[in-house]
Amino acid sequence: NAGVTQTPKFRVLKTGQSMTLLCAQDMNHEYMYWYRQDPGMGLRLIHYSVGEGTTAKGEVPDGYNVSRLKKQNFLLGLESAAPSQTSVYFCASSYEARMNTEAFFGQGTRLTVV
Amino acid sequence: AQSVTQPDIHITVSEGASLELRCNYSYGATPYLFWYVQSPGQGLQLLLKYFSGDTLVQGIKGFEAEFKRSQSSFNLRKPSVHWSDAAEYFCAVRGGYSTLTFGKGTMLLVSP
Repeated sequence: NAGVTQTPKFRVLKTGQSMTLLCAQDMNHEYMYWYRQDPGMGLRLIHYSVGEGTTAKGEVPDGYNVSRLKKQNFLLGLESAAPSQTSVYFCASSYEARMNTEAFFGQGTRLTVV
Repeated sequence: AQSVTQPDIHITVSEGASLELRCNYSYGATPYLFWYVQSPGQGLQLLLKYFSGDTLVQGIKGFEAEFKRSQSSFNLRKPSVHWSDAAEYFCAVRGGYSTLTFGKGTMLLVSP
């Protein structure tokens, strides 16, 4: 039972490079999310998806794009990485809201932009 | 928009002493509330959740939290802290589409 799996776990990028973070869940959850965690800031929502083919902006969406082509996968893209995007990124998934269950989190991706 | 405030950035507690971590929320309707714990370099682990019903919620590792609507609070408690409880603790409130708004966290240090 894998739950929520994030790939990669660590990455170092140079300013201006692009990359894609992959999140995969095997719980048939409708909703998926990307958060970033910075020291002293808690976790903040970047983008989320409420179903295959849908995406929506969260609190801090600038500089990121997302796609949900398959229900089980949620991709987070950085087109031109900046040092301000150095962070730990967490993916999460959950059933739809009426199910009253908690979100399940991946183990995180530590990204450093130099 | 909802918000969560954790007033204490750091708390130091002696091993064996009791613990209370504060959490205040702002939300227009009945809130769904969570406490998560994060050990250094690790992911988030759910300690407990409040959806409705009994306002005193029991969680894992001996933690409990009490929902007080009149005070907009959801404080986390443990009667006797162990050194392994040293970690960062996050309170969160659920919003639309089950998105979470987190507090900035409280770092718990446990002294011998």
